Formats: sequence, structure tokens, C-alpha cells
Amino acid sequence: EVQLVQSGAEVKKPGESLRISCQTSGYSFTSFWITWVRQMPGKGLEWMGTIDPIDSYATYSPSFQGHVTFSADKSFTTAYLQWNSLGASDTAMYYCARISSTYYHSSLDYWGQGTLVTVSS
Amino acid sequence: SSELTQDPAVSVALGQTVRITCQGDSLRNYFATWYQQKPGQAPLLVIYGKNNRPSGIPDRFSGSSSGNTASLTITGAQAEDEADYYCNSRDSSANRVVFGGGTKLTVL
Repeated sequence: EVQLVQSGAEVKKPGESLRISCQTSGYSFTSFWITWVRQMPGKGLEWMGTIDPIDSYATYSPSFQGHVTFSADKSFTTAYLQWNSLGASDTAMYYCARISSTYYHSSLDYWGQGTLVTVSS
Repeated sequence: SSELTQDPAVSVALGQTVRITCQGDSLRNYFATWYQQKPGQAPLLVIYGKNNRPSGIPDRFSGSSSGNTASLTITGAQAEDEADYYCNSRDSSANRVVFGGGTKLTVL
């Protein structure tokens, strides 16, 4: 059974750093990209970027480039999303998802349960 | 990068048919994927590719496409179908995706 299990909710202060995780199981970790999706309170889904677990090559949405960092550890079949300096606007639910892709579509077929990040002074 | 446009809200009477649309230039080349999201839950894949349903998704959900518009049709909407629905498409690079703004479906 394919599973993506994310780390628990976090409450942080502005300026603090944070790394959240997405532990995968039930499939070959290096065979599928992992993508990160932000959902701000009451808002829609935003694609943040994608990481290839084979070599940790990451592609970022321009909206998030330079503000977050993706990484992946093949030994632990886990992907990570990291901030060096959080701001209040980073308060959101963050989802990891597996991408299943062909020439005709890229579908996020399995999702983590989400990690709620709250940034408040 | 491409953008996808969805109507913010749609309503349907219980048991009737509803179509939720998604427009964007990328849909001329690639199929849309559709997700259902209920309050407090992660999104759930409901339609992908030309018109494929993952295991466990009822056959009242179907997808279609014409030109730059993709549609998700629910034939015989049920109360449990009340949710937010999002489309996404790949970009010219398969590892880049774009989401529509979402459609809130109300079942009356």
C-alpha cells in the first residue's frame, strides 16, 4: 500500500527555521517525483515545486524559489521541505504528493495527510 | 507558465448532473487531472488522463476535454460529493504542474 506520512503540526515564531518531512512507503521511492503543495487558510492549492528523489534535483515555482528548499533521503525514503527564515505569510497547510506522469498528464496520485505550519509571534 | 481557470462555485440538485470546467492553454496539449477535497482532508485524485478513475472512485465521476477546456462531470450527484474540486495540468516540463483556483460544489 502506497503511503505518504507527514510530520506533525508546527508552531514557530517569525525568523525561525523549520524542516518538515514526508515519509513514503509501499513503492520505489526513486521511481516517482515528489511535489509540495501549499494551501493557505481558506484558499486553493498552490504548486511549490518538485524534487526527483534519484538525485535530489529540485524544480521550484517562481513564487517559492529562494524561500524554501527541498531535499530527499533515499535511505529513509523521505522527502523534506525546509525554511531558513519563516514569516507570518508561511502559515498554511503543506502537502507532499507523489507525481505519476506520462506525456499527456502529471497527476498527484497519492498525498500526505498534510502538515499545518503556524507562524506567529 | 500556464494558468487554469475554474468557476468559484457551482451548485446541483441532489441526483442531478453537474459539470465543473477548467480552462487554460496547457489543456490544448495535456489532459487535466481532477481532485476532490473535503473540509479538513487532503485532496483526493478522482480523474486522470483521458478519463480514468482510480480504484474506489464511483463511476458517476467522468472527465472530458475539448480545446482549451476540461470538464469533470458528476452524473447523479450525491450529498457526499459536496466538496471543493481542483483541476491541474502539467506544464511543458512534466515535473511542473499548475492548479486551477478550485470550484466549490454545493449539493442542494
